[in-house]
Amino acid sequence: DVKVTQSSRYLVKRTGEKVFLECVQDMDHENMFWYRQDPGLGLRLIYFSYDVKMKEKGDIPEGYSVSREKKERFSLILESASTNQTSMYLCASSLWRNQPQHFGDGTRLSIL
Amino acid sequence: AQTVTQSQPEMSVQEAETVTLSCTYDTSESDYYLFWYKQPPSRQMILVIRQEAYKQQNATENRFSVNFQKAAKSFSLKISDSQLGDAAMYFCAYRSGTSGGGADGLTFGKGTHLIIQP
Repeated sequence: DVKVTQSSRYLVKRTGEKVFLECVQDMDHENMFWYRQDPGLGLRLIYFSYDVKMKEKGDIPEGYSVSREKKERFSLILESASTNQTSMYLCASSLWRNQPQHFGDGTRLSIL
Repeated sequence: AQTVTQSQPEMSVQEAETVTLSCTYDTSESDYYLFWYKQPPSRQMILVIRQEAYKQQNATENRFSVNFQKAAKSFSLKISDSQLGDAAMYFCAYRSGTSGGGADGLTFGKGTHLIIQP
């Protein structure tokens, strides 16, 4: 089974801090994704990566950046955290673009 | 841009009965994929079923089946013999058949909260 691991289940940070959310997958998948989940809004794509050092903006990239230095690891960075970035963040991966995405357990991030 | 609509914020069904969750989508593409994901209170998104748009046959996975109506842009999920473990948020999702520009990501509906009454 595919394992997608997010480094933290819960995280509390302060406004203005630089925040790193880490995601690791163990199945040599090409594609990795970061989504944000908010009540009543479903999941929205922030960024995705289809190869090492390659990234593409999703629907809501503002205020975020990403890093993919190794194939198995995809990091989401909040450059200067703000309260409106309080949310659940979900990482996903897929082998090829036409294959289903496998999700991690999510990180519930609170910005105070 | 594609949109996915789940018109039922919440559904309730008696254990052992059948329930259908609705999903409609809007797209101008002919090549795409559709998915149903389940998110239990444990939070992990679990793939329930997927459908390729070019396939006319409706996908089935054990007690889960879909009714895919391409012309109507409808993709409903039927759960037969509902079990307590089926209680979860269910999300319908769309993925373009083309690549680039965010097309590889999933577009999700807002979800339907399914309650199973014992």
